[in-house]
Amino acid sequence: EVQLVESGGGVVRPGGSLRLSCTASGFIFDDYGMNWVRQAPGRGLEWVSGITWDGSSTGYADSVKGRFTISRDNAKNSLYLQMNSLRAEDTAFYHCARALTWPQGWFDPWGQGTLVTVSS
Amino acid sequence: SYVLTQPPSVSVAPGKTARITCGGNNIGSKSVHWYQQMPGQAPVVAIYYDRDRPSGIPERFSGSNSGNTATLTISRVEAGDEADYYCQVWDSSSDHVVFGGGTKLTVL
Repeated sequence: EVQLVESGGGVVRPGGSLRLSCTASGFIFDDYGMNWVRQAPGRGLEWVSGITWDGSSTGYADSVKGRFTISRDNAKNSLYLQMNSLRAEDTAFYHCARALTWPQGWFDPWGQGTLVTVSS
Repeated sequence: SYVLTQPPSVSVAPGKTARITCGGNNIGSKSVHWYQQMPGQAPVVAIYYDRDRPSGIPERFSGSNSGNTATLTISRVEAGDEADYYCQVWDSSSDHVVFGGGTKLTVL
């Protein structure tokens, strides 16, 4: 079964940092691009960042560029999101999602998400 | 930056046809993907590359894309189709993935 499981969420103060992880199973991880998409409670989907299968190319939403860094470790079947200088508006569920071709392809499947709360 | 516009809500009676639109400048030149999100669950792809349907999605779901509007059509709507629906494209000029604001489908 193809599965994505996020971890690393929690409560952090404004200006703080957090590192999210996404562990993949059930497929050949380095055959796929990967993405992070967030959803604030009660709001819509917002693409955060994406990375090609080999990590050679990455992309970021304007709202996180310069603060967040996406990376992957294909040997560990894992995707990461390093989040620095966190703001209240970064509060959301963060989902990782697989893409056969990045950035043009569709996202399937998605993980259930990990909640990041930025609050003092 | 590229903007995708969806109606916040669409209501339809059971058995009728629901059409959810996704507007964007010359969206017909882009590939559009659609997602269904049930309450409390992660999104699931419903249509990819404008009109292709993944296995597990009923044939009642179809997609089209032309000009400035892409459309997700759900025929013979059922109560179980009630969900939020999002369109998504990749904007090559900004190198950004873009989601529409989402449409809440209500089955009356």
